[in-house]
Amino acid sequence: NAGVTQTPKFQVLKTGQSMTLQCAQDMNHNSMYWYRQDPGMGLRLIYYSASEGTTDKGEVPNGYNVSRLNKREFSLRLESAAPSQTSVYFCASSEQGREKLFFGSGTQLSVL
Amino acid sequence: DQQVKQNSPSLSVQEGRISILNCDYTNSMFDYFLWYKKYPAEGPTFLISISSIKDKNEDGRFTVFLNKSAKHLSLHIVPSQPGDSAVYFCAASGFSPDSWGKLQFGAGTQVVVTP
Repeated sequence: NAGVTQTPKFQVLKTGQSMTLQCAQDMNHNSMYWYRQDPGMGLRLIYYSASEGTTDKGEVPNGYNVSRLNKREFSLRLESAAPSQTSVYFCASSEQGREKLFFGSGTQLSVL
Repeated sequence: DQQVKQNSPSLSVQEGRISILNCDYTNSMFDYFLWYKKYPAEGPTFLISISSIKDKNEDGRFTVFLNKSAKHLSLHIVPSQPGDSAVYFCAASGFSPDSWGKLQFGAGTQVVVTP
C-alpha cells in the first residue's frame, strides 16, 4: 500500500544548483499535483497534470518545471534553485480531480 | 490574497470535549470544501468533505457545517481524542472541471488535545 511516494525526503541545495523531485503513485490515478507548503501560507499549487501527457501551471509556477513521465510518475524540477524555494514540497494524486487528493509524505528542501 | 482563511492558528481542547475549527472563504465560485489532517513529517490526509448543495456532512466523530451565505464552514470533532492532535487544513475548489483538484488551502489550525 505505497500510495504516493516522493523522493528524496530531505535535500539541501546551494543557490543556483538544480535538482529534480520525484513522485510516483500506484493507485492508477489520472491527475497528479505538486504543492508547496510554507509557514503561515497553507499549501499552494505549483503545477498539476490532469491526465497523462498534459501539464498546466498552478498558483506559483515560477522557477519550476514538471514532467508527466507516464501515468504513474510526475517530477518537479528546479533549474536554478533560489532561497525563496526553501519549502516543503508535496506531491498528490487523485482519480479524476474532483475527489479527495492523496498526498505523499513530502520533501523538505533547503536552499542556502 | 488568500481566498481561504483559517483565522485561528491554534486550538487547545480537553480530551472528550468538542473541538470546533473555523474556516472562511471569499470566492463565491467555490462549491466543494474539504478538510485535511496533517501529522508532523507526513502528508495531509483527507478527513471529510462537503458540497455546496448540502449544509452538513457527518462521518463518525467528524461533522462539517457549511453556511454559504456567510461563506463560512466549520469542522466539529466530538469527542476529541489525543490522536486528533494535528494540523487541520481547510480547502476549497470551484465548480468548473478545470478547477477540480486545484485546491485553495487555508493556513491551517494546530489542534492540541490535552488529557
